[in-house]
Amino acid sequence: NAGVTQTPKFRVLKTGQSMTLLCAQDMNHEYMYWYRQDPGMGLRLIHYSVGEGTTAKGEVPDGYNVSRLKKQNFLLGLESAAPSQTSVYFCASGITQGGYTFGSGTRLTVV
Amino acid sequence: RKEVEQDPGPFNVPEGATVAFNCTYSNSASQSFFWYRQDCRKEPKLLMSVYSSGNEDGRFTAQLNRASQYISLLIRDSKLSDSATYLCAVNRVQGAQKLVFGQGTRLTINP
Repeated sequence: NAGVTQTPKFRVLKTGQSMTLLCAQDMNHEYMYWYRQDPGMGLRLIHYSVGEGTTAKGEVPDGYNVSRLKKQNFLLGLESAAPSQTSVYFCASGITQGGYTFGSGTRLTVV
Repeated sequence: RKEVEQDPGPFNVPEGATVAFNCTYSNSASQSFFWYRQDCRKEPKLLMSVYSSGNEDGRFTAQLNRASQYISLLIRDSKLSDSATYLCAVNRVQGAQKLVFGQGTRLTINP
């Protein structure tokens, strides 16, 4: 039982490049979330999904897009990476009442 | 006022000491409360839920004070392995249910 799996674990992008971060969960959760974590800023919600085929904006959605084509997968896309998107990205799944399970994170550096 | 606030620390305490952190929240209608532990360069992991009646898990005790709108985490007989960042999380009441995280309190246990 893997829980929440994120790929890749590390990535360096040049400004303007695009990439997709993949999150997969095997816990049959309806709700999935993408957060970014920066020093002094804590975890900030980028986008979330309340079920297959649905997505919604969080606190800091600009510059990101998401898709939830399958219940178990939640993809985060950066169409044109900027240095301000250098961060650690965490995917999570779960319900609010029970707490979330997080993936191991993706460390992204945009140069 | 931030939705969820924590003293970022750092807290430096000797091994064997008792240490406590608080986390304040702004929305009196919040119902779900959690403490997470995050080790350096790792994902947050659920430490414990916080119930109205309080709860205890070994050396860890979590309590909720609704009147003053804060939750607390008490660690007794601290171990070197307790060194980590402790995040609180509270559900956001407006809109779809989501957890809002505090910035985290950094704890270092010294030998």
